[in-house]
Amino acid sequence: EDQVTQSPEALRLQEGESSSLNCSYTVSGLRGLFWYRQDPGKGPEFLFTLYSAGEEKEKERLKATLTKKESFLHITAPKPEDSATYLCAVQAGSGNTGKLIFGQGTTLQVKP
Amino acid sequence: DTAVSQTPKYLVTQMGNDKSIKCEQNLGHDTMYWYKQDSKKFLKIMFSYNNKELIINETVPNRFSPKSPDKAHLNLHINSLELGDSAVYFCASSLQAGIQPQHFGDGTRLSIL
Repeated sequence: EDQVTQSPEALRLQEGESSSLNCSYTVSGLRGLFWYRQDPGKGPEFLFTLYSAGEEKEKERLKATLTKKESFLHITAPKPEDSATYLCAVQAGSGNTGKLIFGQGTTLQVKP
Repeated sequence: DTAVSQTPKYLVTQMGNDKSIKCEQNLGHDTMYWYKQDSKKFLKIMFSYNNKELIINETVPNRFSPKSPDKAHLNLHINSLELGDSAVYFCASSLQAGIQPQHFGDGTRLSIL
């Protein structure tokens, strides 16, 4: 069965303290891996799509990387406004339905 | 302009009632989805429509019935509500089915008394 696991479940950082969030996946035939950010009371907001191992994407203080088993979301010198829940999701298999399988998320708190 | 909008934002109702949630997108997308997010924030796909045609129907009780009157709208009707239906329901859309970013609404929080 396809599965996505994120760690840690929660992460507290001081402003400026860089760290990484992990997303491990076990799927048959990865087609794409997505990162989303979710603020309290809001829907997930799309950040990145990664398609193949070795691929990297950056946006401001965020950098996403992908291997054959996991993805990392690196946060460099975070600011309090980066506080949110970060969700990882995969699309896998032969069907072209857009079905996403989500991990349980990592809740990041950045203190000033 | 809100890209994906859901109504209502909050829904509080008694067990056994029937309720509907509406979703509209103004992005010109072909594909729309319904997700359920439980108390542990775990998001799970329920349904997906592509050009008004059902393409994903996960293991969801028959009490849940989606309806897509046109490409821009996907509504969710729930019959005989149960305590376990309490959750946040998110609507999303993508340009097409497939490896496309999905854009989410802000959710409908359903509470069953």
